[in-house]
Order: sequence, then C-alpha cells, then structure tokens
Amino acid sequence: QKEVEQDPGPLSVPEGAIVSLNCTYSNSAFQYFMWYRQYSRKGPELLMYTYSSGNKEDGRFTAQVDKSSKYISLFIRDSQPSDSATYLCAMTLNTNAGKSTFGDGTTLTVKP
Amino acid sequence: NAGVTQTPKFQVLKTGQSMTLQCAQDMNHEYMSWYRQDPGMGLRLIHYSVGAGITDQGEVPNGYNVSRSTTEDFPLRLLSAAPSQTSVYFCASSYDSSSYNSPLHFGNGTRLTVT
Repeated sequence: QKEVEQDPGPLSVPEGAIVSLNCTYSNSAFQYFMWYRQYSRKGPELLMYTYSSGNKEDGRFTAQVDKSSKYISLFIRDSQPSDSATYLCAMTLNTNAGKSTFGDGTTLTVKP
Repeated sequence: NAGVTQTPKFQVLKTGQSMTLQCAQDMNHEYMSWYRQDPGMGLRLIHYSVGAGITDQGEVPNGYNVSRSTTEDFPLRLLSAAPSQTSVYFCASSYDSSSYNSPLHFGNGTRLTVT
C-alpha cells in the first residue's frame, strides 16, 4: 500500500465551480503538507504548504489538513481555465521538504 | 533568472547505452535532487545532494549515478539504459534542505525513452 493516496481523477468542471482535491496518508509521522501544481510539459511548482491541522487560505486556494483522519484537501474557489493542471499533494516527516513523499496527482480541467 | 535548467528536453536511447542528464541551477541552492515521474507512481526520489561533494540515495537509486562537484550542477548518469528507465526525469533544488519553508524549484524535465 502506498503511503500517500491521491484521488486519481481526472476531474472536469465548468468555470466558476468549486473544486476539491484530496489525499489520504498512512504514516502518522508526516508533519508538513504541500500542494504542487504541474502544467502540461512543465515541472511542478509549489502552491501551498501547511504544518498543523486546520485551514490555510491564499486567494482562491484553501489547504485543509486533518491529522486525526490523515486526510488533506485543496479547495479551489471560482475555478478558472488557467487552473487546468495536475495537482500533486506531498508530505514530509521533518523539515526537509526535499525528501517529500508525493501523491500520484489529480488532473483538473476547467472548461470555459 | 533561469532557475533550474535541464538538458536535453527529450532523449531516445537503446538498451545498454549510457548518457548523462544535465541539471544546472543559478540560485545558489544547497540542495539538489533528481526525481522520476511515472504514470500511477507519482514522483520518486532517485538521488539527492545537500551540498557540493555530498550525495545520497533516494527511494529508487539503482541504475543511476550522481556527483556534485559544484554548487550549480548535479548531473544524473545512466550507465546502461534499460526499458524500465523510460520516464520523465525532474531535477529540483532548494535553498535550505532543513527547512520546509524552502520550497523545491523544479526544472521542466527530460523525457527519456529507452527502446
């Protein structure tokens, strides 16, 4: 069983919809949680990172962590065609973000 | 600022051939790493380096060698390519490997096919 499981998608939504992207994990020692966005034929780029359980908001994006359920989510409000990409969750045991364990990614398409 | 530059963008190899994937960063980052990305398997860490002269193995190191003679460069060598090494390879760097506040900066990948 993988340490990090991500909803596989693909996901297709109309412009303006609220999108929910989700990951579960099995290792309760994971402490830091990140979301990366990857456009086609490009490398991933960091969207958000969180440490504790709860919500963190950045513009239209909200990252949610529930350590008791080992579940993390990324919500996108008022989704735009430019949000069409693959979203990867990642998590790490300690402060070394370079040794993160990644989910497989969820591909999102936002249709105009 | 170029960030993380990977060359070549595409490569086709025959089984048994060798090659080096190049990675260079101009951000003076301490930490550099190589990942491979395969469908259904996410990003998996191959090798990483926390500074010039220091390298270590990641999750899937077999079949790959690395060295770090300068801060800027971190080449990945395939000594004898196998079809199982067909993948997209990403190089990443960060300023400080000990801080999650120092995010990974990824290159745009090298797409390798081994026939």
